[in-house]
Amino acid sequence: DQQVKQNSPSLSVQEGRISILNCDYTNSMFDYFLWYKKYPAEGPTFLISISSIKDKNEDGRFTVFLNKSAKHLSLHIVPSQPGDSAVYFCAATNKPGSGNTGKLIFGQGTTLQVKP
Amino acid sequence: EAGVTQFPSHSVIEKGQTVTLRCDPISGHDNLYWYRRVMGKEIKFLLHFVKESKQDESGMPNNRFLAERTGGTYSTLKVQPAELEDSGVYFCASSQDLVRVPGGELFFGEGSRLTVL
Repeated sequence: DQQVKQNSPSLSVQEGRISILNCDYTNSMFDYFLWYKKYPAEGPTFLISISSIKDKNEDGRFTVFLNKSAKHLSLHIVPSQPGDSAVYFCAATNKPGSGNTGKLIFGQGTTLQVKP
Repeated sequence: EAGVTQFPSHSVIEKGQTVTLRCDPISGHDNLYWYRRVMGKEIKFLLHFVKESKQDESGMPNNRFLAERTGGTYSTLKVQPAELEDSGVYFCASSQDLVRVPGGELFFGEGSRLTVL
């Protein structure tokens, strides 16, 4: 039972264009969402996050959008650069308490390739 | 400042053997997590330590897996006996606080790749 799903295994975009990575979740108790980026042979690194009280969070070229009613979030990268080529993981967590210790639930990842 | 370090980076063992993975978190980080990624699938939670105490071990697959964090510093994850389905990349991560609060960013190590033949 996968609670966080990234249905697109891969995405290829041209340098300078927009990259849109999507993520769906099923657990309505999730209230904090994160995106991580992972290069080969490295561990995931934090990219951007959003709380469920917001519907948008922006950090430079990266923007995360949250649609709670649809249980959907997306990561927009504008403009995309070749160095953005990596695997992107969506993750979610519940409010602390009720047995939850803040663990992250990850999706399967989407491999982004940005072509020069 | 040193990041999260994991050892070994890659281990190849026969089914039935034992392997011990080690994680050194960032100094001062009380929270230590183990995760696993199998065959390009999702990164799955295994367990969470706060200092030396296990806060949540709900993700541990079975009793062939044993995690310890003696003294609240480094942690080990032992798989005994290893099975084919245990193959994957084991990530360790640490944080000063829970991920949703300032200072709670989760820092990952490079992972230990385990191959069970």
